[in-house]
Amino acid sequence: EVQLVQSRAEVKKPGESLKISCKASGYSFISYWIAWVRQKPGKGLEWMGTIHPSDSDTRYSPSFQGHVTISADKSFTTAYLQWSSLKSSDTAMYYCARFSSLPNGWFDPWGQGTLVTVSS
Amino acid sequence: QSVLTQAPSASGTPGQRVTISCSGSSSNIGSNTVNWYQQLPGTAPRVLIYNNHQRPSGVPDRFSGSKSGTSASLAISGLRSEDEADYYCAVWDDGLNGLVFGAGTKLTVL
Repeated sequence: EVQLVQSRAEVKKPGESLKISCKASGYSFISYWIAWVRQKPGKGLEWMGTIHPSDSDTRYSPSFQGHVTISADKSFTTAYLQWSSLKSSDTAMYYCARFSSLPNGWFDPWGQGTLVTVSS
Repeated sequence: QSVLTQAPSASGTPGQRVTISCSGSSSNIGSNTVNWYQQLPGTAPRVLIYNNHQRPSGVPDRFSGSKSGTSASLAISGLRSEDEADYYCAVWDDGLNGLVFGAGTKLTVL
């Protein structure tokens, strides 16, 4: 079974750093892109960026470029999303999803989501 | 504000057919394939339709997708209470060089 399991919920203070993870199993990790999608409370879905674990080729949405870093570790079949300095506006649910191909791919499956709360 | 336009809400009664639209432009829907996602309350999204009209295994044939020009549609026939969810269209935008989602349509089953 193809599965993406994300790390647990996090509560952080503004200015702190954070790295959340997405563990893939049930398929060839280096054969598909992995994407990150943000969903703020009560709002819609926003594509943040996508990485290909085979060579770490990474594409960022202009809205998120420079604010987050997406990475992947082939040895652990895990993708990561990290912040160096969190803001309260980063409070959201973050989903990872397998992405079949660029540009005409689709997200399937999705991880269960990681809730990040940033509050002083 | 998304480059893809979806009505914020839609509704229907059990058994009815409802259609959810997604309007874009030549740089996105007009030149790339559209995918639809369903997000049930409190859960992660799941793919409902990919490549404009294809259904993954496990998705009932009550759900269908179509595309014409710079617009796409998701149709749900034989509406059921469990279809109450948020529905999002998504497509690659060549101008933005990135993937864009519609703002989502909240479907209510009356």
